[in-house]
Amino acid sequence: GQQVMQIPQYQHVQEGEDFTTYCNSSTTLSNIQWYKQRPGGHPVFLIQLVKSGEVKKQKRLTFQFGEAKKNSSLHITATQTTDVGTYFCAARGGADGLTFGKGTHLIIQP
Amino acid sequence: DAGVTQSPTHLIKTRGQQVTLRCSPKSGHDTVSWYQQALGQGPQFIFQYYEEEERQRGNFPDRFSGHQFPNYSSELNVNALLLGDSALYLCASRISPGVWAYEQYFGPGTRLTVT
Repeated sequence: GQQVMQIPQYQHVQEGEDFTTYCNSSTTLSNIQWYKQRPGGHPVFLIQLVKSGEVKKQKRLTFQFGEAKKNSSLHITATQTTDVGTYFCAARGGADGLTFGKGTHLIIQP
Repeated sequence: DAGVTQSPTHLIKTRGQQVTLRCSPKSGHDTVSWYQQALGQGPQFIFQYYEEEERQRGNFPDRFSGHQFPNYSSELNVNALLLGDSALYLCASRISPGVWAYEQYFGPGTRLTVT
């Protein structure tokens, strides 16, 4: 079935530094979604990317979808303590449910 | 407008018992999916309900079953609980199963502990 690999698993940054997480698939994706899960919380939808090479921005967050639609990235500029959490990419699985990556845990040191 | 709600919040069961978890979708949503999230992992798709029928299923045994009611709310049942069933169970709702463009909204989850 559909698999998405996400790296890194953990990322420690100093507050104010940038952060990037990457999502890769061996197969072409129809689209990809990104979610954020705060500690003790539930996944919250951030964005969906559909088009090859698409780039979308939300304030300090930049999302990219690769030209081949096999990879995606989320970049956060100048991290803040409110950015703490786990960031998941998710792609449509064969069963129409979402297939999630294992997530990147973002830890911010003040 | 209430979002996705789930009950109970936490649950402790003994191995071999049965459990029922409940979910009410976001207003206007008719499709409900259930996910299992083990500690430190991403959510794993269990199944999806639409028009009171199970439409799609992930790689979970028959011990996991569900139901959707006419008001679109849903239940997840797990029989013969195993220690490995301990996880956060998430319900997610969306508009229509065939319209992939719409995002899913997740509920707060039910934390199940099997001892």
